[in-house]
Amino acid sequence: DQQVKQNSPSLSVQEGRISILNCDYTNSMFDYFLWYKKYPAEGPTFLISISSIKDKNEDGRFTVFLNKSAKHLSLHIVPSQPGDSAVYFCAARGAAGNKLTFGGGTRVLVKP
Amino acid sequence: NAGVTQTPKFRILKIGQSMTLQCTQDMNHNYMYWYRQDPGMGLKLIYYSVGAGITDKGEVPNGYNVSRSTTEDFPLRLELAAPSQTSVYFCASSHWDRGYTFGSGTRLTVV
Repeated sequence: DQQVKQNSPSLSVQEGRISILNCDYTNSMFDYFLWYKKYPAEGPTFLISISSIKDKNEDGRFTVFLNKSAKHLSLHIVPSQPGDSAVYFCAARGAAGNKLTFGGGTRVLVKP
Repeated sequence: NAGVTQTPKFRILKIGQSMTLQCTQDMNHNYMYWYRQDPGMGLKLIYYSVGAGITDKGEVPNGYNVSRSTTEDFPLRLELAAPSQTSVYFCASSHWDRGYTFGSGTRLTVV
């Protein structure tokens, strides 16, 4: 039972255009959502997060949108750069403790 | 500024062998975690700890054991390695309400 799903395993986008990554969840008790970025042979690194009481959070080129009624969040990267090529994981935190449940990841390729 | 350090980076084990994956953090985080990532899959929680002396099972604990004798260290023990344990293992740490800092991972192959 996958509580956090990223239905697109890969995404290819031209440099300078927008990348949109999607994530769906099933557990309405999740109260905090995060995006992590992972390069090969490295651990995931924190990118951006959003609390369940907000619907948007922005940090430079990265914006995360949360639609609680649809149990859906998305990450927008504008403009996309070649250095953004990586695997992106969506994660959600339950109300009890600080355990994160991760989605399967989306591999992004930004073409120059 | 080391963060989370995992050793070894790579290891090949034979079926039935045992080993310990080491994890240490220098950020004084109370919470520590072990995840595994199988090819093309997300990260699955094996064990976690909310402080020294306290550990609990995650989603996929079978075949593993952990201990937390100090705040800094959270080793993961594999007993009787099986091919199904071939994976990349990530250790992470956090404060109680913050995002995680991950180590760079241990790639384990069981043959």
